Amino acid sequence: GAVVSQHPSWVICKSGTSVKIECRSLDFQATTMFWYRQFPKQSLMLMATSNEGSKATYEQGVEKDKFLINHASLTLSTLTVTSAHPEDSSFYICSASNSLSSNYGYTFGSGTRLTVV
Amino acid sequence: AQSVTQPDIHITVSEGASLELRCNYSYGATPYLFWYVQSPGQGLQLLLKYFSGDTLVQGIKGFEAEFKRSQSSFNLRKPSVHWSDAAEYFCAVGQSGNTGKLIFGQGTTLQVKP
Repeated sequence: GAVVSQHPSWVICKSGTSVKIECRSLDFQATTMFWYRQFPKQSLMLMATSNEGSKATYEQGVEKDKFLINHASLTLSTLTVTSAHPEDSSFYICSASNSLSSNYGYTFGSGTRLTVV
Repeated sequence: AQSVTQPDIHITVSEGASLELRCNYSYGATPYLFWYVQSPGQGLQLLLKYFSGDTLVQGIKGFEAEFKRSQSSFNLRKPSVHWSDAAEYFCAVGQSGNTGKLIFGQGTTLQVKP
């Protein structure tokens, strides 16, 4: 079945530093990847949609200069949280799809817990 | 605008009892509907999905869901709950056409009593 690997699973960083999170589709080509953010006890909020080889589309209210997304290949997308601050601490989850109506649908990574101290 | 509502924030059922988690959506066209389960600190696992065809969809772990267009609902059911089913459940609607984003409901926390 479709597998999406997300790394790292957790990271602690100092305020002001940058953190990169990777999302890989292991056994299929992901034409589209999505990045979500989830606060404790809350639902997932879509941050951005990335298509391979093109610029990401950010949701309203998401700072594109703070959350840099790169989708350089059909199997890898990265989210870089730049100049992280404590309010960026959250659970970040990626998902990947190659077709909405295929058997893959949307496959999610296992998430990354980011703590900024 | 598209939206998904899960009216029940928290549900507690006894092990072995039946379960129904409610989901209502607002979407102009035929929706693509999903149910996901999330264990603490983990990503989301797809339970089942509806794109078209038979409105009663079977999923993994003994779950099923029924699409009712007239009620704009896609409720998740399980005839007999196991303690391992305790988790957070999310209903989501996806845009039809090209690979579109998912809109998630607020989630329902399921607690299972022994």
